[in-house]
Amino acid sequence: AQTVTQSQPEMSVQEAETVTLSCTYDTSESDYYLFWYKQPPSRQMILVIRQEAYKQQNATENRFSVNFQKAAKSFSLKISDSQLGDAAMYFCAYRSAGTYKYIFGTGTRLKVLA
Amino acid sequence: DGGITQSPKYLFRKEGQNVTLSCEQNLNHDAMYWYRQDPGQGLRLIYYSQIVNDFQKGDIAEGYSVSREKKESFPLTVTSAQKNPTAFYLCATRLLGLAGASDTDTQYFGPGTRLTVL
Repeated sequence: AQTVTQSQPEMSVQEAETVTLSCTYDTSESDYYLFWYKQPPSRQMILVIRQEAYKQQNATENRFSVNFQKAAKSFSLKISDSQLGDAAMYFCAYRSAGTYKYIFGTGTRLKVLA
Repeated sequence: DGGITQSPKYLFRKEGQNVTLSCEQNLNHDAMYWYRQDPGQGLRLIYYSQIVNDFQKGDIAEGYSVSREKKESFPLTVTSAQKNPTAFYLCATRLLGLAGASDTDTQYFGPGTRLTVL
């Protein structure tokens, strides 16, 4: 069965600095999708970034980028120029192509220090 | 205004009562999901529906029931058989279509309902 592991329950970063959140996953599939979701204190889940496994190029969305290492089954999220509004829970998620089920990690709480 | 609405935002239930959580969407998405979120855990799938009048159990379906009588609506009933129902419940939708398209890969979430059993 596929699993998603986020080994950092909590991280802190100074405002304007860069932070990297880790995510590893286990799968025997070759075609799948990976996601990072943000859950602020309002608890609304917001998509941050997505990555298709067949694409070697790392996805980027403004200050958010990923380091996708398919062989190592690693999918880390880098947040550059951290802002106070980035403080939230961040969840890594996986979905195998052709299936409906998404598998979520347990989340990393990010604190941004002024 | 397009989106996903969940109501109520907060819900209190006495032990032994059934309660129904509402999820409505006007995104014209095909698939709808119900998740449960507990502290320190990720989202766990309760039920999934791909089309009207069809749904599948997720990992933790015991004590829950759903219906999908129309595309826009996917209500979740928490029954008295659910032993520990206090949690945050999230509804999500997804557009089904060609694989690899960003709008068909991604789930979109409602604002959630916090259920507390008294």
